[in-house]
Amino acid sequence: DGGITQSPKYLFRKEGQNVTLSCEQNLNHDAMYWYRQDPGQGLRLIYYSQIVNDFQKGDIAEGYSVSREKKESFPLTVTSAQKNPTAFYLCATGPQGTDTQYFGPGTRLTVL
Amino acid sequence: EDQVTQSPEALRLQEGESSSLNCSYTVSGLRGLFWYRQDPGKGPEFLFTLYSAGEEKEKERLKATLTKKESFLHITAPKPEDSATYLCAVQATGTASKLTFGTGTRLQVTL
Repeated sequence: DGGITQSPKYLFRKEGQNVTLSCEQNLNHDAMYWYRQDPGQGLRLIYYSQIVNDFQKGDIAEGYSVSREKKESFPLTVTSAQKNPTAFYLCATGPQGTDTQYFGPGTRLTVL
Repeated sequence: EDQVTQSPEALRLQEGESSSLNCSYTVSGLRGLFWYRQDPGKGPEFLFTLYSAGEEKEKERLKATLTKKESFLHITAPKPEDSATYLCAVQATGTASKLTFGTGTRLQVTL
């Protein structure tokens, strides 16, 4: 089965705790992205990576960190420095040579 | 700054009642315009990419068109299963990989 997997679907954390969201793909896509979606707002880019061992900040990178050690994986860590972490987090991938991005099913993070 | 405005925010149609969704954009130079469909609690599903004014693309009951300032998503004879939020995004030239999204149009199709 080809696709993008995000786990878990729902995640609850206490304020002040770091949490890592998983994104795995077996589409052999080079580019991977992290967005957050909040009610009434458009998707906003957090981080993206176009190649293994390299990544760039998006528009709202403060309080987040990422790594890209493998082509298939692009985990996102939401740190305690993120002031308003409760949101729907979406991972996307894109094949080389195109601009189209394909999205995973998302992880809903709630910080209590 | 790139901007995308979608209208209306919400649209309610009866089955079979055709309509259009609008996506107006401001961008220094357009590299591509993207339409996605998103069901509640799920990730967006890719529909279309448009690159130049005058371009049109179709998929089942949906047709996307592009001008220099806006894009339309035409829905012909919609069915209840077309109910979803439709998202528009633009990519500017010189901004590799960065999409700017609108807030979406929430479409409800009733029997």
